[in-house]
Amino acid sequence: AQKITQTQPGMFVQEKEAVTLDCTYDTSDPSYGLFWYKQPSSGEMIFLIYQGSYDQQNATEGRYSLNFQKARKSANLVISASQLGDSAMYFCAMREASSGYSTLTFGKGTMLLVSP
Amino acid sequence: SAVISQKPSRDICQRGTSLTIQCQVDSQVTMMFWYRQQPGQSLTLIATANQGSEATYESGFVIDKFPISRPNLTFSTLTVSNMSPEDSSIYLCSVERRETGELFFGEGSRLTVL
Repeated sequence: AQKITQTQPGMFVQEKEAVTLDCTYDTSDPSYGLFWYKQPSSGEMIFLIYQGSYDQQNATEGRYSLNFQKARKSANLVISASQLGDSAMYFCAMREASSGYSTLTFGKGTMLLVSP
Repeated sequence: SAVISQKPSRDICQRGTSLTIQCQVDSQVTMMFWYRQQPGQSLTLIATANQGSEATYESGFVIDKFPISRPNLTFSTLTVSNMSPEDSSIYLCSVERRETGELFFGEGSRLTVL
């Protein structure tokens, strides 16, 4: 079974609107962390936000927030007030304590296109 | 965030040759990680590089094909040996910021093998 599932190959959103990118995960490890990265066409991986499995509150970083629903094993990324520069590939990733806790398993990604 | 510099940022290589990618971090880190991203795919971990010990390779990756050096706590290299077109990928190094648990990536090295 896939550890990270991103069901949306592509998403479209208009500038200034909010968008949610879906991510579900599969782990039996009680200690894990969830990450979101942005990859523009240049290829670099830009860290956006992190949620630990024991964190009580949803993580937020500026326009990015993570809707963490532990029972559902979902960690959706919410981007508020989309900007043209948000157009990129977005990857959800997980690390587990059982795998050394510093290596990441990535989902297949969601391509986000922001239109004017 | 940690500042991670990778060289080269991109290269076009001939089949059968080898290329070494460098990763420089602006602070000392215990572990550095090398990932591969094949065209249109997600990232896959190649190996974990600890200073002073041999790298630990993931299933499907071997030292003869991807030798790694880690001479000190701020630097690592990944060599892609005897390249074939299937090695055309983006190669990225990654480090962990221990205080927060965040994992950061370099800008990536985009290799095209002809």
